[in-house]
Amino acid sequence: DAKTTQPPSMDCAEGRAANLPCNHSTISGNEYVYWYRQIHSQGPQYIIHGLKNNETNEMASLIITEDRKSSTLILPHATLRDTAVYYCIVRPNTGANSKLTFGKGITLSVRP
Amino acid sequence: GAVVSQHPSRVICKSGTSVKIECRSLDFQATTMFWYRQFPKQSLMLMATSNEGSKATYEQGVEKDKFLINHASLTLSTLTVTSAHPEDSSFYICSALYPLKSYEQYFGPGTRLTVT
Repeated sequence: DAKTTQPPSMDCAEGRAANLPCNHSTISGNEYVYWYRQIHSQGPQYIIHGLKNNETNEMASLIITEDRKSSTLILPHATLRDTAVYYCIVRPNTGANSKLTFGKGITLSVRP
Repeated sequence: GAVVSQHPSRVICKSGTSVKIECRSLDFQATTMFWYRQFPKQSLMLMATSNEGSKATYEQGVEKDKFLINHASLTLSTLTVTSAHPEDSSFYICSALYPLKSYEQYFGPGTRLTVT
């Protein structure tokens, strides 16, 4: 079972920041927060991950609360191509066989 | 970046036949690959973990004799759907663990299987 909860959907205007929330209140100390997205009829794409510090890369920023019970993925300037299902996943980084358990994700619709 | 390919991208087969789907890591060696299935408007469900040189580990409820997995090399895993039925029609996606980046999983583009 997925250990995260996300709203089912949200939308934002093109060019604006998209803030996607995720709750993971039962996260363990050795578990990381991962974000993937899936554009329609494609395989999932890795976006970003973090343990407790905020992280930023060329795609997005990840803000993790101090108690690690929730996080927010930020797409700073959303484009129409960012329309996708975004999955927030927690898993340990230990061991090569650590699985990704996908929940329902949040469907982001970017409107022109 | 790490690239994972799948072949074929789409396949239509008749009920009762078998279909083989290939998953390849193109620019890295993957000792571990995963196979997922995704029904329309649903999330990905892990079917099995494929380890190079050993037997695959199947998730609960997945029939190992129906979904045969072979991971014969460090860049290739295959999933064979045996005696396919219409209810096996789905989107099959593989992923490969990239060992140089904290065991990140990189996903293939998926294979759309339709059983008639």
